[in-house]
Amino acid sequence: EAGVVQSPRYKIIEKKQPVAFWCNPISGHNTLYWYRQNLGQGPELLIRYENEEAVDDSQLPKDRFSAERLKGVDSTLKIQPAELGDSAVYLCASSSASLTQYFGPGTRLLVL
Amino acid sequence: GENVEQHPSTLSVQEGDSAVIKCTYSDSASNYFPWYKQELGKRPQLIIDIRSNVGEKKDQRIAVTLNKTAKHFSLHITETQPEDSAVYFCAASTSTGNQFYFGTGTSLTVIP
Repeated sequence: EAGVVQSPRYKIIEKKQPVAFWCNPISGHNTLYWYRQNLGQGPELLIRYENEEAVDDSQLPKDRFSAERLKGVDSTLKIQPAELGDSAVYLCASSSASLTQYFGPGTRLLVL
Repeated sequence: GENVEQHPSTLSVQEGDSAVIKCTYSDSASNYFPWYKQELGKRPQLIIDIRSNVGEKKDQRIAVTLNKTAKHFSLHITETQPEDSAVYFCAASTSTGNQFYFGTGTSLTVIP
């Protein structure tokens, strides 16, 4: 069984530039999560999808962050414009009804 | 919302000794408690989890205990090996919310 796939793995951009991350969850997993993980910290939830519906986006900075999961499978997370403080690892995870979350390898973002 | 606290933040043990990591949570509705291991630069991987209907679960050298009354749960690693060195995260979740709140992590070093 393929795991959660994310791309790109690394991204370096200058501040004020846009950036987008892509996630393909485990087949059959209806729930998809985007987390941000700062160095030395645990993952912090940005948004959670149940199929194509965003059911919890309370921690998503909506002035610059957006996300979509149009067909209830793949998802993209976008930052526009990026700020220095956005440098972090962005993790995607998916789960089925069992609650167990499986994480992707993450995208390491560096904003200069 | 839920607040998960994790201690210690760093832990060093001699190879063969035991390691214990403790977490507390605030929301009495939380009923699912997973533990993740994250090696440097890699994705968090589930190592063990426990649900609120049991007090202890064991898988070879790893065990987790849960005290719902006191709202704390612990990870126990026996006969530690150098490959156990990693950052360990606890998390708490409610089955209805399907949202994970992570602890801040414990960096475990097993000294050969």
